[in-house]
Order: sequence, then structure tokens, then C-alpha cells
Amino acid sequence: EAGVAQSPRYKIIEKRQSVAFWCNPISGHATLYWYQQILGQGPKLLIQFQNNGVVDDSQLPKDRFSAERLKGVDSTLKIQPAKLEDSAVYLCASSQAGSGGSDTQYFGPGTRLTVL
Amino acid sequence: DAKTTQPTSMDCAEGRAANLPCNHSTISGNEYVYWYRQIHSQGPQYIIHGLKNNETNEMASLIITEDRKSSTLILPHATLRDTAVYYCIVRVTPRIIQGAQKLVFGQGTRLTINP
Repeated sequence: EAGVAQSPRYKIIEKRQSVAFWCNPISGHATLYWYQQILGQGPKLLIQFQNNGVVDDSQLPKDRFSAERLKGVDSTLKIQPAKLEDSAVYLCASSQAGSGGSDTQYFGPGTRLTVL
Repeated sequence: DAKTTQPTSMDCAEGRAANLPCNHSTISGNEYVYWYRQIHSQGPQYIIHGLKNNETNEMASLIITEDRKSSTLILPHATLRDTAVYYCIVRVTPRIIQGAQKLVFGQGTRLTINP
């Protein structure tokens, strides 16, 4: 079974630029999560989708961050404009929760963003 | 906020059992204890979870105290590949189709397996 795919793996941008991350969850997983992990800390949830609807975006800085999950499969997370403090690893995870299965979350490898 | 307390770091010799403690004194009756680990430059990986009974799978064993205020993750024969940050998380696990709870990660325990 293929795991959660993310791209790119690394991205370096200058502050005030825009950036987008892409995630392809495990096939059949209804729930998709985006987490932000700052160096030395545990991951923090940014947004959670169930199918193509938002379940929780309370920690998403909506003035600069946006996310969508069209058709309930792939998802993109965008930052516009980026700030220095956005430097982090952005992790995507998926689970079967919402489709009758386990809610164990499976994580992708992450995208490491460096904002200069 | 994370509801668990873990030591910042631990060391263990290769081939020995690694015992990682976790305190969760405010755990509610419907909250499970989950363990994930994160190997360097990878996403977190699910290990095991339990409610009140001890659990074992191919990766580890989970021992939960009778009062449920603490637990221990046991890696029976640690290898160098078990070097990682281990996160103990408490959360409700819904068993019906009603969305899923987010994982609230703390700082975790950095486990180093030494040759």
C-alpha cells in the first residue's frame, strides 16, 4: 500500500514570497491533516479535512495560510506571503476516520520550508 | 495543550529493552494513550495505543497502570534504528463515523540507542 506522498521535499524562498505544498493521501482515506513542525517542537495541527470539508482550522493563520482539498483526495497548502517564522516542516497525514475505518493517522515525509 | 509529561531524553544499549515512561495524570475515562515516534527527517510513525489493558504488537508493548495515570512503552530488543523521538499522546478515539480528533504532540522523549 502506498503511503502519504508530499512534494516538494524541500523549498527555500525569501520572505514575502508565496509557496504551495501538495499532499496525496493514502487511497480511500477520508480524513486529511496538515501539521506544522517547528525545529525542536512536536507537530501542531493547522487544518483537518474530512472528505472535502474543513473539520478544524482553528490554528491556521488565515491571513496568510490557505488550504483546499478539491474532490476529497489531494490537498494543497499555500502560504502567501511567507514570513521568517514560517520556516518549518509541513507534514501531511491521513486516516480512514470518516469512512468507517480506524482513525490511526499515517504521515508523509514532510516538506521542509526555509524562509530567508 | 499536550496532556502528557515525558523525560526529555533517554539512552539505551542496543539489544536491551527500552522502557519509555509517560505521565498523564489528568487522563479522562474515554481517552486512549497513543504512542508515535519520529525518526530523523521522517514523519511521525504510529506505534501502538491502548485504553486500560496492556497491549502488544509487532513493534512494542504498552503497559498502562491500573489508575491510568501513567504508562510505559517497551521496545523489547532495541536496535540502532529505534533511535527517534517518541511521543506519548492522550486522545479520544471515536468508533463511529464522526470525524477524528487531532493529535496534540508534546516535546516527546529523544531516545538514543547506543551500540
